[in-house]
Amino acid sequence: NAGVMQNPRHLVRRRGQEARLRCSPMKGHSHVYWYRQLPEEGLKFMVYLQKENIIDESGMPKERFSAEFPKEGPSILRIQQVVRGDSAAYFCASSLQGNIMNTEAFFGQGTRLTVV
Amino acid sequence: AQTVTQSQPEMSVQEAETVTLSCTYDTSESDYYLFWYKQPPSRQMILVIRQEAYKQQNATENRFSVNFQKAAKSFSLKISDSQLGDAAMYFCAYRSGGSQGNLIFGKGTKLSVKP
Repeated sequence: NAGVMQNPRHLVRRRGQEARLRCSPMKGHSHVYWYRQLPEEGLKFMVYLQKENIIDESGMPKERFSAEFPKEGPSILRIQQVVRGDSAAYFCASSLQGNIMNTEAFFGQGTRLTVV
Repeated sequence: AQTVTQSQPEMSVQEAETVTLSCTYDTSESDYYLFWYKQPPSRQMILVIRQEAYKQQNATENRFSVNFQKAAKSFSLKISDSQLGDAAMYFCAYRSGGSQGNLIFGKGTKLSVKP
């Protein structure tokens, strides 16, 4: 039973390019959360999605960032026109239910994005 | 807004000894949950222990236990019989009882274990 799979593990982009980060939740999980971890910081919530729906995007920057979780396939976090400040580790977590307390959320190993 | 504070950027412990990591939080809610996560160099976030605010009994998982002081809004993690594999970043996290999964993390404590 594979865990949460994120790819790529490392991604290098030049300023102005687009970054696409993928997250395949654990089998059977329909709830996905994205977090960003800046150097020397804890994880910051970005967005919470269920299949085909964005439930909470209160942590997403208003511009350039978008997320989706289609009916089929992985969840995608998309960053357009990347800037150096976007360099961070991006983590995905999935859970069986939305109540993260009653159902443990499992984290992927993250994607480290470096913008040069 | 809720906040989580970890006042110890780094801690060190001798193998087989006990260490306590501090965490305080601020909230006006009465229903919430608290967590400790471990992040080894592999970056994988691993749930160590969790505590429901409505439970007075402190959670325990093998060598890991918490000291939950609700009135003081304190949630410290005690690691007994420390092992080399315990070396990692440890993050304290808060989740509102009413939210749908949004965890609020502290900045973390880097734990070193000396052989």
